Amino acid sequence: SQTIHQWPATLVQPVGSPLSLECTVEGTSNPNLYWYRQAAGRGLQLLFYSVGIGQISSEVPQNLSASRPQDRQFILSSKKLLLSDSGFYLCAWSGLTSAYFGPGTRLLVL
Amino acid sequence: GQQLNQSPQSMFIQEGEDVSMNCTSSSIFNTWLWYKQDPGEGPVLLIALYKAGELTSNGRLTAQFGITRKDSFLNISASIPSDVGIYFCAGRVNNNDMRFGAGTRLTVKP
Repeated sequence: SQTIHQWPATLVQPVGSPLSLECTVEGTSNPNLYWYRQAAGRGLQLLFYSVGIGQISSEVPQNLSASRPQDRQFILSSKKLLLSDSGFYLCAWSGLTSAYFGPGTRLLVL
Repeated sequence: GQQLNQSPQSMFIQEGEDVSMNCTSSSIFNTWLWYKQDPGEGPVLLIALYKAGELTSNGRLTAQFGITRKDSFLNISASIPSDVGIYFCAGRVNNNDMRFGAGTRLTVKP
């Protein structure tokens, strides 16, 4: 069965520091991968999606970037974090029929 | 991109009551998905709908894919305290495009 992992689970970072969040998927090949951000008590905002290695589409202009170095690995990065980057970051993968989420990374920027 | 309107934003109900929430869009979707998110966790897929008019149940949950393919509803019968959470609808046009509603926050009073 398919499994999706996110690392780390929780992160506290100072403003201006870099960021790297990792998402890996097991049990499937060539999945579509997504990064979402969820502010406290709010809905899901699509940040990036990828249909294959090295293929990234950005939904919202911001100081974040994404990369897909391997088929089942999706990375969310920033060179300099802002206070407004705080939130709950969710990775998801989709196949032909449905989409599934990882457990999320809670990021607090101070 | 396509926008999903999910309503209501929040619901406060008594244990045992039935719940109904829905999503509408100005665009057509090929798939409707319903998720539940518990605090601090990623959304979990509840029901997936693939054909216009399709009515699918999962225990006390029932969801329908609207005939026009522009809407879907989710019903929860005889609510219990563990139904508390945020419910999201999602519409898919194709594998590359999945959009979420803003969520319905459900509170169940014992």
